[in-house]
Amino acid sequence: AQSVTQPDIHITVSEGASLELRCNYSYGATPYLFWYVQSPGQGLQLLLKYFSGDTLVQGIKGFEAEFKRSQSSFNLRKPSVHWSDAAEYFCAVGPYSSASKIIFGSGTRLSIRP
Amino acid sequence: DAGVIQSPRHEVTEMGQEVTLRCKPISGHDYLFWYRQTMMRGLELLIYFNNNVPIDDSGMPEDRFSAKMPNASFSTLKIQPSEPRDSAVYFCASSLESEQFFGPGTRLTVL
Repeated sequence: AQSVTQPDIHITVSEGASLELRCNYSYGATPYLFWYVQSPGQGLQLLLKYFSGDTLVQGIKGFEAEFKRSQSSFNLRKPSVHWSDAAEYFCAVGPYSSASKIIFGSGTRLSIRP
Repeated sequence: DAGVIQSPRHEVTEMGQEVTLRCKPISGHDYLFWYRQTMMRGLELLIYFNNNVPIDDSGMPEDRFSAKMPNASFSTLKIQPSEPRDSAVYFCASSLESEQFFGPGTRLTVL
């Protein structure tokens, strides 16, 4: 079965601290992996995506993610969070071959402690 | 490009009324998706279109929901009759390749 698991519903980190959001996936074919961010009252915005190549991919706003095939994981990281990073983060997986539907995780809500 | 455009941004209606949500995808994108987001159920895919043709509507909750895409630049999601449990944020997204671009959403409240 195809699925995306984000085991952390809510995470709170201090401003300036490092961040890692976990994502595990189950997908039959070669996956196209995504991280989206949703700020309060907004739509989802793409942070980064990965299909092939370097397993460490850089995204916008200083985020990066590392693909680990052996662990079926695609964790999102940021070395130093800012108060403006408080948002909901969604991991997603889809097929590379077409733009058909992608599967979203349940999301992780990130709060920033001043 | 202006991105995906949705209207209205907010809709408040009474139970039993018809509600129509509108979406204009990004020009040139050939896939269009409708999602619903609630606290309880998270982000749910309702239906998606490819080249204006519905491909998968298995996420449409019941017959009260219908969606159309009469041309490449416009889609509607209609709820008739509406019920309080339909209260949610409805998102439209479009894509050309795997990446989906989301609109700002319509917040629907059914009283």
